Amino acid sequence: GEDVEQSLFLSVREGDSSVINCTYTDSSSTYLYWYKQEPGAGLQLLTYIFSNMDMKQDQRLTVLLNKKDKHLSLRIADTQTGDSAIYFCAQATGSSASKIIFGSGTRLSIRP
Amino acid sequence: DSGVTQTPKHLITATGQRVTLRCSPRSGDLSVYWYQQSLDQGLQFLIQYYNGEERAKGNILERFSAQQFPDLHSELNLSSLELGDSALYFCASSPQGNGEKLFFGSGTQLSVL
Repeated sequence: GEDVEQSLFLSVREGDSSVINCTYTDSSSTYLYWYKQEPGAGLQLLTYIFSNMDMKQDQRLTVLLNKKDKHLSLRIADTQTGDSAIYFCAQATGSSASKIIFGSGTRLSIRP
Repeated sequence: DSGVTQTPKHLITATGQRVTLRCSPRSGDLSVYWYQQSLDQGLQFLIQYYNGEERAKGNILERFSAQQFPDLHSELNLSSLELGDSALYFCASSPQGNGEKLFFGSGTQLSVL
């Protein structure tokens, strides 16, 4: 089946690291993604990882992929107030990776 | 600005009515996706089109239908509307529809009263 699960809320202190976790069910997924949604806006791609990779780093963002456990995480270093948003994990599934299935999103809030 | 245009931004209608949501993809993108975002269901994949043809189907109700026209714009038709259809409907586009980055529109907020 195709399902993506993530926790609904995360609260971190400004300057700390945020870690958002996600589990997925389709082991044949070729791409896994993290999207960000700010209030009143559509989703924007933050980063993605190919299924043959274990880790990808992009400035303050680190993505870790554990294929055995079907677990994906997003670490945001030095979290800032501008990082407040909903973060969606997603997997590409189906023939030609044509279906992009999203999790319910994790709302990240930043404490001063 | 993602380059994906959705109209209208807001739509208020009554139960039992029919509405059409419109999406213009980014210039050059051949694939269009439709998603429904509601508080209790999260972001649900509805349907995907590639160059006018349906390519993938998700949790789309029979009361809903969509199409992609030769100029690549797409329309999502929702009929016999129910209160539970109230949601934010997103369109997204991508060049080939095979797992690349999706570019999302700002959404159409549908309120069924």
